[in-house]
Amino acid sequence: AQSVTQPDIHITVSEGASLELRCNYSYGATPYLFWYVQSPGQGLQLLLKYFSGDTLVQGIKGFEAEFKRSQSSFNLRKPSVHWSDAAEYFCAVGFYGKLTFGQGTILTVHP
Amino acid sequence: SQTIHQWPATLVQPVGSPLSLECTVEGTSNPNLYWYRQAAGRGLQLLFYSVGIGQISSEVPQNLSASRPQDRQFILSSKKLLLSDSGFYLCAWGGGPYGYTFGSGTRLTVV
Repeated sequence: AQSVTQPDIHITVSEGASLELRCNYSYGATPYLFWYVQSPGQGLQLLLKYFSGDTLVQGIKGFEAEFKRSQSSFNLRKPSVHWSDAAEYFCAVGFYGKLTFGQGTILTVHP
Repeated sequence: SQTIHQWPATLVQPVGSPLSLECTVEGTSNPNLYWYRQAAGRGLQLLFYSVGIGQISSEVPQNLSASRPQDRQFILSSKKLLLSDSGFYLCAWGGGPYGYTFGSGTRLTVV
């Protein structure tokens, strides 16, 4: 069955530390891939997207993600986390016009 | 530029009362439109999507319905709300590789 998995429900990092949020998908073909961020009580903001070309994509706020076809993964990374990055992060897959989300990863940043 | 408007921002309704949430998009024509619900601890669930006026697809059986009376208007409704309808409702437009843009959401509490 088609699915999007974010295995980490909650991650805590110290400010200035590096970050990697994991995302795996299960689809017959390579879908469109997205990462969104949601601050409490807010809508969703697109961080970055991938649909073809260079497998390392750059997004807003210093985030990047790498598509690895062999691992069906699209992990989100940031070299140095800021306190303002604390939020919930969603990986999403676009396939035949529909967007399916992972369960989300809550990021807590310690000072 | 394209914008998406969603209202109201918050809503408290008694069980058994009707519901109408509205979403409008500006700056684009014939957009694909979507309604998502985010319940506590349950991620984002696609409820309805529409590829054109009067064309509605339902993803999950539920107490809600959707309509698209105009090209850039998408309405989520219920005749009688249940407690389980509480959640954060998000409207979105877009699709394909260019991503999806979300509204700011409506927090619905059914009491």
